[in-house]
Amino acid sequence: GAGVSQTPSNKVTEKGKYVELRCDPISGHTALYWYRQSLGQGPEFLIYFQGTGAADDSGLPNDRFFAVRPEGSVSTLKIQRTERGDSAMYLCASSPGTGEGYGYTFGSGTRLTVV
Amino acid sequence: GDSVTQMEGPVTLSEEAFLTINCTYTATGYPSLFWYVQYPGEGLQLLLKATKADDKGSNKGFEATYRKETTSFHLEKGSVQVSDSAVYFCALREKDTGRRALTFGSGTRLQVQP
Repeated sequence: GAGVSQTPSNKVTEKGKYVELRCDPISGHTALYWYRQSLGQGPEFLIYFQGTGAADDSGLPNDRFFAVRPEGSVSTLKIQRTERGDSAMYLCASSPGTGEGYGYTFGSGTRLTVV
Repeated sequence: GDSVTQMEGPVTLSEEAFLTINCTYTATGYPSLFWYVQYPGEGLQLLLKATKADDKGSNKGFEATYRKETTSFHLEKGSVQVSDSAVYFCALREKDTGRRALTFGSGTRLQVQP
């Protein structure tokens, strides 16, 4: 596609529920990243995929968070037993590769609200 | 660990004023440095980048120079417009460790008044 697409744009869920957030990267981009942005803060890294594999998941806050990218394109971020502290904007980005100086293209994000 | 520190906002300027947004960093080795911009209601966009010391990144009238001695990457523009009103994020990415994640500052909101 022309840009990075994230769905849904907004998600409201009850505490304790399970949610899935989807990211559709730019066609041909091999690297895909997930970030979380709290209000008034910069994005914080969660996980990075190179192809189908998670190359770096060091930013996932705990084992309630999990992400997959089974075919090396679309990725899904999964959050189990959601907590109110999980409320944030979840951003996805992709890049053509991981070479030096590559910038990302970000999606518009999914705003998750846990009530 | 890596960190990026930006001046707190909001920064409020009149149209055609000179802009500086300060950014300093702490990192392993000599990282690549970036400025991203977030316009109201839109996603983050790459504004400019520099990958080594003394490089100057530039785009849309904005400039930033990679200063190794002062570990800084200050954003400047000679004459701001109302359309420049946005939140600006400084970020770095390590080169020597192979870590691909960006580390962002907390952002600086710029408000330009006509």
